[in-house]
Amino acid sequence: DSGVTQTPKHLITATGQRVTLRCSPRSGDLSVYWYQQSLDQGLQFLIQYYNGEERAKGNILERFSAQQFPDLHSELNLSSLELGDSALYFCASTVGATPYNEQFFGPGTRLTVL
Amino acid sequence: QQQVKQSPQSLIVQKGGISIINCAYENTAFDYFPWYQQFPGKGPALLIAIRPDVSEKKEGRFTISFNKSAKQFSLHIMDSQPGDSATYFCAASSNYQLIWGAGTKLIIKP
Repeated sequence: DSGVTQTPKHLITATGQRVTLRCSPRSGDLSVYWYQQSLDQGLQFLIQYYNGEERAKGNILERFSAQQFPDLHSELNLSSLELGDSALYFCASTVGATPYNEQFFGPGTRLTVL
Repeated sequence: QQQVKQSPQSLIVQKGGISIINCAYENTAFDYFPWYQQFPGKGPALLIAIRPDVSEKKEGRFTISFNKSAKQFSLHIMDSQPGDSATYFCAASSNYQLIWGAGTKLIIKP
């Protein structure tokens, strides 16, 4: 168990809908990363937050947004969902801001868009 | 210049054999090279990492070999076991970002 929690575990929704994925980092970790992993694909970095502020941005679509709250949990919002958004979404947390720190991954949220 | 090229995409090794996964990078600013292991249905977990001031790092059956001049690094799994069957990701980092390889699906045949 990495200490990172993600909810929900599974999510099934329809095209055009909006969903929110939640991540609680390990105790003491200030940084949260979001990743998308499509079937048998690699990890696509979406966005990183550090202590409430956006720190780095990857290949995140404009339909997607994220934020990190004062209690350090983070939410990833996906809107106008398309079939191609079906994937595993992971968050990871680290103690520091830089990528030198070990990333602890949550169990993921499996999103299915029908 | 920001890519990390990982090969092979998939690999089948007999139990007891040596598994070798290779990665190459272009950006000379990268100075931290971790490997992550991911089992099906789970998130990746850090396996082993190396800085470019050493050419090799060993932890149990897992070894990273690093060639700074060639800008290549590799993961060697000695005495490969069925429990090593997983997807392995290399990555390369500068102070600002971590770039991931595409992953290698490793299957160890009993």
